[in-house]
Amino acid sequence: DAKTTQPNSMESNEEEPVHLPCNHSTISGTDYIHWYRQLPSQGPEYVIHGLTSNVNNRMASLAIAEDRKSSTLILHRATLRDAAVYYCILNRDDKIIFGKGTRLHILP
Amino acid sequence: EPEVTQTPSHQVTQMGQEVILRCVPISNHLYFYWYRQILGQKVEFLVSFYNNEISEKSEIFDDQFSVERPDGSNFTLKIRSTKLEDSAMYFCASRLWGSNQPQHFGDGTRLSIL
Repeated sequence: DAKTTQPNSMESNEEEPVHLPCNHSTISGTDYIHWYRQLPSQGPEYVIHGLTSNVNNRMASLAIAEDRKSSTLILHRATLRDAAVYYCILNRDDKIIFGKGTRLHILP
Repeated sequence: EPEVTQTPSHQVTQMGQEVILRCVPISNHLYFYWYRQILGQKVEFLVSFYNNEISEKSEIFDDQFSVERPDGSNFTLKIRSTKLEDSAMYFCASRLWGSNQPQHFGDGTRLSIL
C-alpha cells in the first residue's frame, strides 16, 4: 500500500487559512495525490486531487512539492463547517486505503 | 449536484438474520464500491465492482457478503447471516470511468446487530 504520513490533529481559527501537510516519500511517478475529508456523521467527501502541478477548486488548493514527496492541502478561509478528518491518499490502486488522517479543529 | 444515496440510514437487525443495504450510485458512474467503518476506527475497503462483476475484495468480504447490481440504478450489499461484529457504518461509493477519477460517497447506513 502506498503510505502517507499526516499529523494526527491540527487547530485553526475560524476565517484564517489552514495548511494541512502530507508526506508521501514513496510516491511513484504515476500516483495521483487525492484528498478526502469526513465530516462528523457523514461519508467521506472528495476534496481535490493532482499529479504534479498545483491545483485549485472551489473547496481548496493543493500544493505539490517539486519532488512530489510531500503536498499541502490549503483551505483559504476556514469555517466551522470545515472541522473534519482530512485524508491524504495516493491513488495507486482502485480501492482507497484510508489512514487515520488529520483531525482539524476550527476555533470560533 | 448528483449524489450517491443510501437506504436505510439506520438498520437494526437480530444476529443471524440477513440484511440488504441499498445504494443508488450517480447515474453515469461505472465503478462501484462498498466500505465500512466500525465506530471510532478507520474506513475500510470491502469490495469493488465493475461491469457486473467483483473487481477486488478485501479479507473482510468473506462468503457471508455478496454484492449485486440488480438493475441499472441500484447497487446492493447483502450480509447473509449477520454477526455482532458486523455492526458498523457502511458506505457506498461510485466513480466515473478513468483511473484517477475520485470516488463519491453516500452518507452511509448505520447497521446495528443485536
